[in-house]
Amino acid sequence: EAQVTQNPRYLITVTGKKLTVTCSQNMNHEYMSWYRQDPGLGLRQIYYSMNVEVTDKGDVPEGYKVSRKEKRNFPLILESPSPNQTSLYFCASSLGEAGELFFGEGSRLTVL
Amino acid sequence: KNEVEQSPQNLTAQEGEFITINCSYSVGISALHWLQQHPGGGIVSLFMLSSGKKKHGRLIATINIQEKHSSLHITASHPRDSAVYICAAPSYNTDKLIFGTGTRLQVFP
Repeated sequence: EAQVTQNPRYLITVTGKKLTVTCSQNMNHEYMSWYRQDPGLGLRQIYYSMNVEVTDKGDVPEGYKVSRKEKRNFPLILESPSPNQTSLYFCASSLGEAGELFFGEGSRLTVL
Repeated sequence: KNEVEQSPQNLTAQEGEFITINCSYSVGISALHWLQQHPGGGIVSLFMLSSGKKKHGRLIATINIQEKHSSLHITASHPRDSAVYICAAPSYNTDKLIFGTGTRLQVFP
């Protein structure tokens, strides 16, 4: 089954404790991206990747890192999480930047 | 002013009504996405279109490139259509995806 898998789905952590949210797709998609969704602000793009070893900043990249060492995986790294990073995070993939988007189920992160 | 704007922000309807959600954009785009998000749920892609019209079941999406406007129509609406509908467009120049703020639809029996 074609899918985008995110882990963890739910996480409560404390300020400054490094964490990684994993994202994996099994559709051989080139384009992958991360978004955060906040009430009243909608979805905002954090980082995206057009292909392996190619990543670019979205609209809200501060405080986040990503890597794309393999085509299927695109982890989101919070080196030193802060409470303003409390949010619902979505990973998505598509064949290209204008292709149909496939979203993961979302990861709800709370930073205390 | 957002580069992608949706209207209305909130919409309520009686079951069976015809529904239209609008999306206007000011940037050059290569395609436009319509997404659906149920309460507490994930996000599903409904349509991706770059011209004309697409239909899937009771849902119809249209786009007018010259007017920079797209619409999502739901015919014979049903309570299970209650969700947030989001339009999104990749900027032609930057490949960044720009989202509208969403339209919250509630359909009552």
